[in-house]
Amino acid sequence: EIVLTQSPGTLSLSPGQRATLSCRASQSVSSSYLAWYQQKPGQAPRLLIYGISTRATGIPDRFSGSGSGTDFTLTISRLEPEDCAVYYCQQYGGSPLTFGQGTRLEIK
Amino acid sequence: QAQLVQSGAEVRKPGASVKISCRASGYRFIENYLHWLRQAPGQGPEWIGWINPYSGGTNYAQKFQGRVTLTRDTSITTAYMELSSLRSDDTAVYYCANQASMASFDPWGQGTLVTVTS
Repeated sequence: EIVLTQSPGTLSLSPGQRATLSCRASQSVSSSYLAWYQQKPGQAPRLLIYGISTRATGIPDRFSGSGSGTDFTLTISRLEPEDCAVYYCQQYGGSPLTFGQGTRLEIK
Repeated sequence: QAQLVQSGAEVRKPGASVKISCRASGYRFIENYLHWLRQAPGQGPEWIGWINPYSGGTNYAQKFQGRVTLTRDTSITTAYMELSSLRSDDTAVYYCANQASMASFDPWGQGTLVTVTS
């Protein structure tokens, strides 16, 4: 099983700043099957990025993904108050598919 | 637009079973695998398994083998997840999700809270 470790656990930043969220895999994630989700309290996760770097429909270009192999990054430039949420990475390059434990983003 | 609507919250006693439904609309139901996941409080999502709505074929995470059954009714574009021998640590929000590009999930159902308590 591929274990995804996200860091930091919590990130506290101000509006307008840039957020950098990390996702490290215990083995190489094949076929670029790495995605990122945003989850707000009481809601289902929302797809942000798939295939490491492709934004899902309707996702603003402030959100970007990068990385390869075992190290992946979600970057949110120009933070807005509504970006306050928990962010998860997910892989399906190996079975079973797995999620990271999440990074909580707080907006000061 | 594509949408998944799940059945309502359930309360069960330990040892019982629960069956949750997930109705799809706005896209061709048989085209994409439909996955089930769950999320315990404060945890990341956990994958349970998938069903191929076209063939009815299934694949389950090893952790749930023997306890979970995924089915579908194509006539009403609805998928079902039944989990048996419930324990208190099965208490979670259960989601269905459509497998989209590059094995991502979009959309998700709104979630169904299952509470297992004596």
